[in-house]
Amino acid sequence: KAGVTQTPRYLIKTRGQQVTLSCSPISGHRSVSWYQQTPGQGLQFLFEYFSETQRNKGNFPGRFSGRQFSNSRSEMNVSTLELGDSALYLCASSFTSMHWHYGYTFGSGTRLTVV
Amino acid sequence: ILNVEQSPQSLHVQEGDSTNFTCSFPSSNFYALHWYRWETAKSPEALFVMTLNGDEKKKGRISATLNTKEGYSYLYIKGSQPEDSATYLCALNAGGTSYGKLTFGQGTILTVHP
Repeated sequence: KAGVTQTPRYLIKTRGQQVTLSCSPISGHRSVSWYQQTPGQGLQFLFEYFSETQRNKGNFPGRFSGRQFSNSRSEMNVSTLELGDSALYLCASSFTSMHWHYGYTFGSGTRLTVV
Repeated sequence: ILNVEQSPQSLHVQEGDSTNFTCSFPSSNFYALHWYRWETAKSPEALFVMTLNGDEKKKGRISATLNTKEGYSYLYIKGSQPEDSATYLCALNAGGTSYGKLTFGQGTILTVHP
């Protein structure tokens, strides 16, 4: 079956712009989580969506937002981009957010560069 | 704030060596412990999900153990091969309202030399 698909793979934006990243989970997976990876911080949790509802949010400013559609696809948006937002953004999907022993499947990520 | 620590940060071994890494986590906040292997330019690959104290999991030459009472997990690789070179990440599910949230360690970078 198809894995988790993230688009685009690479993105270059200018400071002050906004960006939207997309994540299509594995068919049947209803939970989608987003992570940011920067060299100094490792993988940091952004937020999680389940059945179109944000269930959990990490410690990121309000410029970072997301949503989930009825087909479980998710988007995350970053407004007023800053240089420090340059990172690899990963999404992960799971069958359900309540049964963590199922594990998570990650996409290949979107590499965002802010110049 | 949960703190998940991995050691060592990096490891260089020769092909055929066996090796192991450690993941430490707060024992008071535990629901599940995940291990991932992350090769450059690929997506993190799930190795194990461990939930019970004393759990031992095995996948080929890779195995893992879990001690939730003292808050640590070990990952072992027997007879390392160059294709085992990757970053190995552990991540904690803390339960409660931590829906969908994994708290990752910084990872152990393994390099296996032919």
